[in-house]
Amino acid sequence: GAVVSQHPSRVICKSGTSVKIECRSLDFQATTMFWYRQFPKKSLMLMATSNEGSKATYEQGVEKDKFLINHASLTLSTLTVTSAHPEDSSFYICSARREATDTQYFGPGTRLTVL
Amino acid sequence: AQSVAQPEDQVNVAEGNPLTVKCTYSVSGNPYLFWYVQYPNRGLQFLLKYITGDNLVKGSYGFEAEFNKSQTSFHLKKPSALVSDSALYFCAVRSNNRKLIWGLGTSLAVNP
Repeated sequence: GAVVSQHPSRVICKSGTSVKIECRSLDFQATTMFWYRQFPKKSLMLMATSNEGSKATYEQGVEKDKFLINHASLTLSTLTVTSAHPEDSSFYICSARREATDTQYFGPGTRLTVL
Repeated sequence: AQSVAQPEDQVNVAEGNPLTVKCTYSVSGNPYLFWYVQYPNRGLQFLLKYITGDNLVKGSYGFEAEFNKSQTSFHLKKPSALVSDSALYFCAVRSNNRKLIWGLGTSLAVNP
């Protein structure tokens, strides 16, 4: 149990376009999901906490209008990178917290490349 | 301040030898500690956690970790390393607001 999927796994887009990434908890419900960004060979940077039915909580320095988060159900959170630019190219990883075990389970990640 | 330190950027071990990946933490109150592993271009996989109870925690793939309160450490160990254990390992501690505070990661290379 505790499987989290993420789609797409890889996306290439042109500068100025928007990209949506989906994160799903497949076998448990998640009131809280998290979105991270990871640079090559670097640790995880928490971008925001996604709360089902309410607004996301963004970490300091993360632009909420650029990284739109929607957590419309207990199994789905989406991250939309709006007006993407090359500096947004990165590996984005989501996680879902399983409340019964207070443990985060991670999706496989999305490699975003903005040309 | 709450923090996690992984003092080794890289660890190299020979296949079949025991391995240790170090982690120390600083947090107020009782710590919830986690280890995750990340294979190239993949998300993180949960290995094990410590919340309370026995100081030696057993996890996935033969890994275990020892909680040492006096040394504020939670080192990851495995008695006999496999080449397939080569990956990036992250230690994390749960903060007071239930977010995870991450170490910078340790790259483990197991040589055949």
